[in-house]
Formats: sequence, structure tokens, C-alpha cells
Amino acid sequence: DADVTQTPRNRITKTGKRIMLECSQTKGHDRMYWYRQDPGLGLRLIYYSFDVKDINKGEISDGYSVSRQAQAKFSLSLESAIPNQTALYFCATSDPGRTTDTQYFGPGTRLTVL
Amino acid sequence: AQSVTQPDIHITVSEGASLELRCNYSYGATPYLFWYVQSPGQGLQLLLKYFSGDTLVQGIKGFEAEFKRSQSSFNLRKPSVHWSDAAEYFCAVGRGDSGYSTLTFGKGTMLLVSP
Repeated sequence: DADVTQTPRNRITKTGKRIMLECSQTKGHDRMYWYRQDPGLGLRLIYYSFDVKDINKGEISDGYSVSRQAQAKFSLSLESAIPNQTALYFCATSDPGRTTDTQYFGPGTRLTVL
Repeated sequence: AQSVTQPDIHITVSEGASLELRCNYSYGATPYLFWYVQSPGQGLQLLLKYFSGDTLVQGIKGFEAEFKRSQSSFNLRKPSVHWSDAAEYFCAVGRGDSGYSTLTFGKGTMLLVSP
């Protein structure tokens, strides 16, 4: 089984809808991240969490919110989706104590907002 | 603020030829540096990383990278490219202090391998 899983893998939705993307990990890592990838722009950090009680905004958090339900689960929500949130979304985890903060990525969720 | 520049958007290399992908970073302290690869339709896989010590770092799939502090560079190299290396490559920098460590990615370099 994959260490970092994301659901759904693909989602098409309409403008104004609320969407939740979920991430689960079995690596036992404390730190979790959400990125979005757009062609030609690389990956940009949306939110990150260093433990269950710690949530931090990244460089592009507007229009997004997150929830860290447990050490293993980190969800990203789009409260009212808009077309320019169409992108590939990645979840990642890391544990500086064991892996010097190397980040491990999930397979991604492709989101299309019509 | 930290930043990463990958000057080449696309690179085409013949199979069997050598490869060098460029990466320049901007960060005031000692950086943590990474190269990731993304194959079509896949997530990101770590190729190699530099934290300290030997400035020439060996990674998976025959890749290596050299950290040059004087040039603020961390270029990725491979002596002989295989068709399966066709993918997008991302350089990233993380803060090297003992506190928070978030990654800033470059915009990526797409590697095309010709027969």
C-alpha cells in the first residue's frame, strides 16, 4: 500500500461548490503539506501543519482552508470553488527527526472547476 | 525569502548523451537542496538531497548533483540518459535551520529524450 494516499484522484466540479480533498499517510510523520501544481509554475505551498495543533498558511492560501483531523489525516477544502483553482493538488509528509525533513508526496488529485 | 530558478523550461537530449539540469537558489543561510522527478501522470519522487558534507551528492537512477555555494547552484547531472528519464524535474530549497522547513520549488525543467 502507498504511504501517502489522496482521495479523490480526479474531481470535476462547478463554480461555487464546496470541495474537500483528503490526504492520509501511514508513514507516522508529524508534518504534512498541501501544494498545488500549475503548468509552468511548479509547485506552490498552500498550507502546512507541523503537528495536529499547528496549522500554517503557505504562499497561496487564499480561497483554501485545511483541517488536521489526526496525525495521519490532513484535508484541504475549497469553500467556494472557482475556475482558477483548477490544478493538480499534492499532499506531502515529512519527519525531520528521521529523514532530515525530506518530503514524500502522494499521487496527486486533479481538480477541474467548470 | 528563498527562491529557486531553473533557467531551462525544456531540454532535449539524445539517448545515451550526458545531461545537466541547472538550478540556482537564493537563500541567506545554509540551504537544504533537493531534486525531485515527476513522470507523466505521477507524483513527485525524490532523486537526491543535500544537507551538508560532501558537495557531490549521489542519488537514485544514476543521477548526481553538485552543490556550489559560490555560485548558489545545485545542478543535476547524469552521464548517460535513458529514454525512461523523460520527465519533469524540479529543484527545491528548504530552510536549513533547526526550526521550520518548508520547500520552495523551481518551475521545473521538462526533459525530452530523443532516439
